[in-house]
Amino acid sequence: DTAVSQTPKYLVTQMGNDKSIKCEQNLGHDTMYWYKQDSKKFLKIMFSYNNKELIINETVPNRFSPKSPDKAHLNLHINSLELGDSAVYFCASSQGVGGRKETQYFGPGTRLLVL
Amino acid sequence: TQLLEQSPQFLSIQEGENLTVYCNSSSVFSSLQWYRQEPGEGPVLLVTVVTGGEVKKLKRLTFQFGDARKDSSLHITAAQPGDTGLYLCAGDNAGNNRKLIWGLGTSLAVNP
Repeated sequence: DTAVSQTPKYLVTQMGNDKSIKCEQNLGHDTMYWYKQDSKKFLKIMFSYNNKELIINETVPNRFSPKSPDKAHLNLHINSLELGDSAVYFCASSQGVGGRKETQYFGPGTRLLVL
Repeated sequence: TQLLEQSPQFLSIQEGENLTVYCNSSSVFSSLQWYRQEPGEGPVLLVTVVTGGEVKKLKRLTFQFGDARKDSSLHITAAQPGDTGLYLCAGDNAGNNRKLIWGLGTSLAVNP
């Protein structure tokens, strides 16, 4: 059973398109995250939701919009894709309110390539 | 801005060698985590250290949290090809922003 799943695993698209990445966790966790990992492997948090409420919103272009229909799902919609959006996007979840000593469980990643 | 610096950034060694990876900051953390990310996968938690001076062992991996809780090290004894991956440290600053501070990672390659 996959704990944190993301779809699609690979996404190749043209500049200017709009795309969505879906994430689901079956761990019963309260907090979910979106991270961006660039080509230098730096893992940068983008958003975090706790029980469907946005609790972290880093300096991310407003072309990126997270949506949490329920606490088991956190989707990421990206408008007007740009070349610099190419990266690996990871979804993660944790039990409590986030941060503090809690294990974060990561999905397998979505490899986005914008041409 | 809090930063976690990891060194070395890249490390390529032969099977059987020992190595140490460092995670340093000028800030105090209430806890620090180490994750390993294998190629094509997401990071997976290895250990969480909480108390200053704490040492935790996971088979051939030894983790230490600095006395002042500003730094940590990961020592691998007799490295094996299966240890290959990106090692990331992440600190909890116990603030209200509820996010971990991530290091840039150490990319380890263990050659057979």
